[in-house]
Amino acid sequence: DAEITQSPRHKITETGRQVTLACHQTWNHNNMFWYRQDLGHGLRLIHYSYGVQDTNKGEVSDGYSVSRSNTEDLPLTLESAASSQTSVYFCASSQGLPEEAFFGQGTRLTVV
Amino acid sequence: QKEVEQDPGPLSVPEGAIVSLNCTYSNSAFQYFMWYRQYSRKGPELLMYTYSSGNKEDGRFTAQVDKSSKYISLFIRDSQPSDSATYLCASYSGGGADGLTFGKGTHLIIQP
Repeated sequence: DAEITQSPRHKITETGRQVTLACHQTWNHNNMFWYRQDLGHGLRLIHYSYGVQDTNKGEVSDGYSVSRSNTEDLPLTLESAASSQTSVYFCASSQGLPEEAFFGQGTRLTVV
Repeated sequence: QKEVEQDPGPLSVPEGAIVSLNCTYSNSAFQYFMWYRQYSRKGPELLMYTYSSGNKEDGRFTAQVDKSSKYISLFIRDSQPSDSATYLCASYSGGGADGLTFGKGTHLIIQP
């Protein structure tokens, strides 16, 4: 069955380190998204991509970057991790319009 | 002010009751309205979505959108303990704009 997988599921890193979270989908969806979920804020969009070589900034993109070199993957990089980036990160994908997005299981990131 | 507002709850009801979950939004450009369900430590999963105003029914679930009052509702009939989860409303304007805008989610508890 097609699916969307995130790795790692849990990560602890130190302030200032570069961190990359992986997202891989096997639906061949054009659209991919990264969200962070925090208590009191809900899900907030970080970056999104509507196809290979296309990337766009979302609501909370500062300190994050993405690249899309193929259809299946959209890795999220934290350039210099900060404690404020401690969160649960969700990747999602959809074909066509975003209203039918399928989410991964999430990556719980702790920055100490 | 967040563009999609949702009471975080928790909302606790007895098994078998009709549940009403609600959101309001402020962006008149929103055309698509979604409800996602999220179990603890899992990714959100799409329950249903509607385009513009009106009702949509799927089994025990009914989604309702009133664009004139910018009000989104989800009704759950014959609620079950397995319905206990966080319910997230989301909106999207369409036309290739930003990804989904989520509410903070309402934590629902169905008491056996």
